[in-house]
Amino acid sequence: NAGVTQTPKFQVLKTGQSMTLQCAQDMNHNSMYWYRQDPGMGLRLIYYSASEGTTDKGEVPNGYNVSRLNKREFSLRLESAAPSQTSVYFCASSGGGVRGDRDYFGAGTRLSVL
Amino acid sequence: RKEVEQDPGPFNVPEGATVAFNCTYSNSASQSFFWYRQDCRKEPKLLMSVYSSGNEDGRFTAQLNRASQYISLLIRDSKLSDSATYLCVVNGRNSGYSTLTFGKGTMLLVSP
Repeated sequence: NAGVTQTPKFQVLKTGQSMTLQCAQDMNHNSMYWYRQDPGMGLRLIYYSASEGTTDKGEVPNGYNVSRLNKREFSLRLESAAPSQTSVYFCASSGGGVRGDRDYFGAGTRLSVL
Repeated sequence: RKEVEQDPGPFNVPEGATVAFNCTYSNSASQSFFWYRQDCRKEPKLLMSVYSSGNEDGRFTAQLNRASQYISLLIRDSKLSDSATYLCVVNGRNSGYSTLTFGKGTMLLVSP
């Protein structure tokens, strides 16, 4: 009963390095999301994919790119990491285009950029 | 006005107490409302959806007031295990698609 799986769980990067956060869901959900959570800021949407083959910017997209590889997988890429991207990143998925459906979250990736 | 506003707390209550949280939202067109619970260093998890008629799940009661654009969560007979941050969540507004907007959360600390 995996749900939403994120890798890695922890990562430390140096400024300027790149990395990709992986996310996969096994619930056959159409929609997937990437959020970041910072102290005092709450959860903020970075990018989302309403359905396979589409991606859109959320509230804080700068410095990130995403790929909806297939229905199951949605990756988040940091091309040139900056200290301001130190955060906890959560991937989530939901079943429908009408947003009455709940979001199911992965366990998170704790990223530090030095 | 921020999209979803909550009192950050913390609310410090003894075991057995009743505690209530409120949340206000700015988008009058919002249709879906939720309370999520987030434990320290864990992912958010759905606590309950909030329906127009109000709904109850054991010790938890959620209410929606559309006219005043606020949502409430009442916890009765608080347990130590209720200590967490409670997130108010509202479906937001993006043209052609609606995403969820999360409040910053209200922290609850239940003490023995």
